[in-house]
Amino acid sequence: KAGVTQTPRYLIKTRGQQVTLSCSPISGHRSVSWYQQTPGQGLQFLFEYFSETQRNKGNFPGRFSGRQFSNSRSEMNVSTLELGDSALYLCASMLGAAYNEQFFGPGTRLTVL
Amino acid sequence: QKEVEQDPGPLSVPEGAIVSLNCTYSNSAFQYFMWYRQYSRKGPELLMYTYSSGNKEDGRFTAQVDKSSKYISLFIRDSQPSDSATYLCAAQSNYQLIWGAGTKLIIKP
Repeated sequence: KAGVTQTPRYLIKTRGQQVTLSCSPISGHRSVSWYQQTPGQGLQFLFEYFSETQRNKGNFPGRFSGRQFSNSRSEMNVSTLELGDSALYLCASMLGAAYNEQFFGPGTRLTVL
Repeated sequence: QKEVEQDPGPLSVPEGAIVSLNCTYSNSAFQYFMWYRQYSRKGPELLMYTYSSGNKEDGRFTAQVDKSSKYISLFIRDSQPSDSATYLCAAQSNYQLIWGAGTKLIIKP
């Protein structure tokens, strides 16, 4: 079974631009969560989608948004990029709400210049 | 104060040693606790998943939860150089995970 895939793996943007990251979950998984990982703040929860609906949201500004498609693939968008948005963005999928069966992708490394 | 506290290390030990990794948490409502391992340039992978207090063993790994002191531990026996990674603890709160900062572990051959 294929794992969670994320594209692109690396991205360089400049301040003020916007970016869209993509995540394809494990086949059959309906939940997709997004996380931001930085050396200073560690792993922080952005939001979770389940069956195309946002089920939970972390404490990030509205510049961070996401969506999920009917095939469970998910996208995350960051508008008006800031230097502090430079991070590893991780996507994780699970079947329902069983965190003991949550699997992470390799992440997208975003650098904002 | 963060809800889950973890010393970022690094923690360096010789091969074959017993490793003890620890986290503390502040929210007594947390009931599910996890340990993840993250290698460089990879996403985290789940190592151990425990509910409430007690011990859980899986091969060389033992996870321990002490709810009275709000303390969670991961023990690694017979540590190997391949165990060198960052270890993250997490607590489940409703539909999200609250993460520790991660401890970088180095096993010296």
